[in-house]
Amino acid sequence: DAGVTQSPTHLIKTRGQQVTLRCSPKSGHDTVSWYQQALGQGPQFIFQYYEEEERQRGNFPDRFSGHQFPNYSSELNVNALLLGDSALYLCASSLTRNTEAFFGQGTRLTVV
Amino acid sequence: AQSVAQPEDQVNVAEGNPLTVKCTYSVSGNPYLFWYVQYPNRGLQFLLKYITGDNLVKGSYGFEAEFNKSQTSFHLKKPSALVSDSALYFCAVRDGAYNFNKFYFGSGTKLNVKP
Repeated sequence: DAGVTQSPTHLIKTRGQQVTLRCSPKSGHDTVSWYQQALGQGPQFIFQYYEEEERQRGNFPDRFSGHQFPNYSSELNVNALLLGDSALYLCASSLTRNTEAFFGQGTRLTVV
Repeated sequence: AQSVAQPEDQVNVAEGNPLTVKCTYSVSGNPYLFWYVQYPNRGLQFLLKYITGDNLVKGSYGFEAEFNKSQTSFHLKKPSALVSDSALYFCAVRDGAYNFNKFYFGSGTKLNVKP
């Protein structure tokens, strides 16, 4: 089992650009959440997808959007990038019946 | 609202000595508490969780945590620290019984284990 996989591992973008990050959940997991971890801080919840719909959302602007595909994989899109969007973006997956989440290794986004 | 606090930014301990990483929580309803560890440039690895049952929870790599309802604490412990335990540790509370991967994380505690 490959666990939760994220791509790419590193990314450099310019202010104002758009970025798409990808996540493949652990095999059989149907719920995916995204987190932003700024340097020196704990992860902050962005949103959660289940059955291809956004179910929960944290305190993030509409520039952050997502999608879940029928195979449960997910994308995180960020528009109009700001310097403050530089962070490690983590994807987590779980089964609805389980109580622990498995995290990917993250995508390090740098906005210059 | 759910929240956790990790009062120590850094904990230093000598190899072979016991270690404690502190966490306090604030929740509405029953607490669903977790500890995760993060190594440099890596994602989070699950260590242990408290959902219900015994207050002493045993987890991966010899770690354990004690749930204390009266003190609203969930401190992470290990009887004998290893250099390889050096990492960033996060306490987290899950947002209720049915939000299976929506967590509120603490700010993290960096554990340094010296030989």
